[in-house]
Amino acid sequence: AQSVTQLGSHVSVSEGALVLLRCNYSSSVPPYLFWYVQYPNQGLQLLLKYTSAATLVKGINGFEAEFKKSETSFHLTKPSAHMSDAAEYFCAVSSTGGYQKVTFGTGTKLQVIP
Amino acid sequence: DSGVTQTPKHLITATGQRVTLRCSPRSGDLSVYWYQQSLDQGLQFLIQYYNGEERAKGNILERFSAQQFPDLHSELNLSSLELGDSALYFCASSPSTGYREQYFGPGTRLTVT
Repeated sequence: AQSVTQLGSHVSVSEGALVLLRCNYSSSVPPYLFWYVQYPNQGLQLLLKYTSAATLVKGINGFEAEFKKSETSFHLTKPSAHMSDAAEYFCAVSSTGGYQKVTFGTGTKLQVIP
Repeated sequence: DSGVTQTPKHLITATGQRVTLRCSPRSGDLSVYWYQQSLDQGLQFLIQYYNGEERAKGNILERFSAQQFPDLHSELNLSSLELGDSALYFCASSPSTGYREQYFGPGTRLTVT
């Protein structure tokens, strides 16, 4: 069984401030982990993925995430928020075996305040 | 552009009607997923197909059905539509090897009046 918990359905940050979006996962086998971003009226877009090659993963638009097995976390960060980062962010987990079951979190809406 | 196409972009229909949503996956992807996204329910996984076979079911209503054809495109059929079925419906595809990342289409916005 696998699951994902995103802490905070809404997060507000000031432009230029650190962005931190939290994700904790549960998986009975080594997981693959993903962050997706959804801009208004668009589909989800892959931001970055953890595939066990490196614990610190860099993605598009200056985002990165760190896999911490001991904390079962995969938090998303960006050093300096831009107005264009305002969107909804989804964390997802996939099992390394089986038929590609993917479980999404409930999403976190990021608001960037000028 | 993810390479996943969905038609139509918008659909307006009346309660009780039936509609079909179409999805073409990225070239070479064998897995297709359908999702429903609404303001009150969030992103809900409906169903997954892999190379023509159903692989997983999520919160899909009995009034809804899907299939994946030999050319790998997929259709989601929604029948006896209710006002509450108004939502964005996304299709995503995934490579058959590798890390299972999903590539989402632009979605079909369904409005039931």
